[in-house]
Amino acid sequence: AQTVTQSQPEMSVQEAETVTLSCTYDTSESDYYLFWYKQPPSRQMILVIRQEAYKQQNATENRFSVNFQKAAKSFSLKISDSQLGDAAMYFCASMGPISSGSARQLTFGSGTQLTVLP
Amino acid sequence: DGGITQSPKYLFRKEGQNVTLSCEQNLNHDAMYWYRQDPGQGLRLIYYSQIVNDFQKGDIAEGYSVSREKKESFPLTVTSAQKNPTAFYLCASSIAEAARTGELFFGEGSRLTVL
Repeated sequence: AQTVTQSQPEMSVQEAETVTLSCTYDTSESDYYLFWYKQPPSRQMILVIRQEAYKQQNATENRFSVNFQKAAKSFSLKISDSQLGDAAMYFCASMGPISSGSARQLTFGSGTQLTVLP
Repeated sequence: DGGITQSPKYLFRKEGQNVTLSCEQNLNHDAMYWYRQDPGQGLRLIYYSQIVNDFQKGDIAEGYSVSREKKESFPLTVTSAQKNPTAFYLCASSIAEAARTGELFFGEGSRLTVL
């Protein structure tokens, strides 16, 4: 079974500044996938960024990047040049490999509520 | 526009009543999912279906039932056996290949309140 832990229930950042959201996970698999999803006030979840565990290079998507530390089982999300529209609940999630029984099942953390201050 | 439609957005139920939440997608996705969201607990998987006429239990299936008679529809019934049904329910879908990469497309959710 996989577990995902987000230890920061709430975070805030000044507009245009950088913020990092933390996530740790636990898995016995050698191959897996990690994700950050965003849930704005509309409540519709949106994929922000994904990382494949076998890739050493950290994923980036415009202002969003991750710091993937496989040995430490850490997967933090960095948001640069924060914008008001970034305010949302952010969920870290993991998925096991296709060969496992947990394939296609996302395991979510408890979320971090991000506030962007003007 | 393509997407996932959940209805109703808000639903009130008396104790002991069954209620069905609708989820329809026009994305031509093979896989569909139901998640439950509670404050401070993130999302937990209730049921998922990878193809029509087939579905599997997730982590918290007790007290819930689903059907997948059509590719575009995956209704969730919250039965009277569910002891604490008040929650926010999210439906999602993915194409078979996207399931490998975890990209799910979500609806806007349904909030169920038991009175």
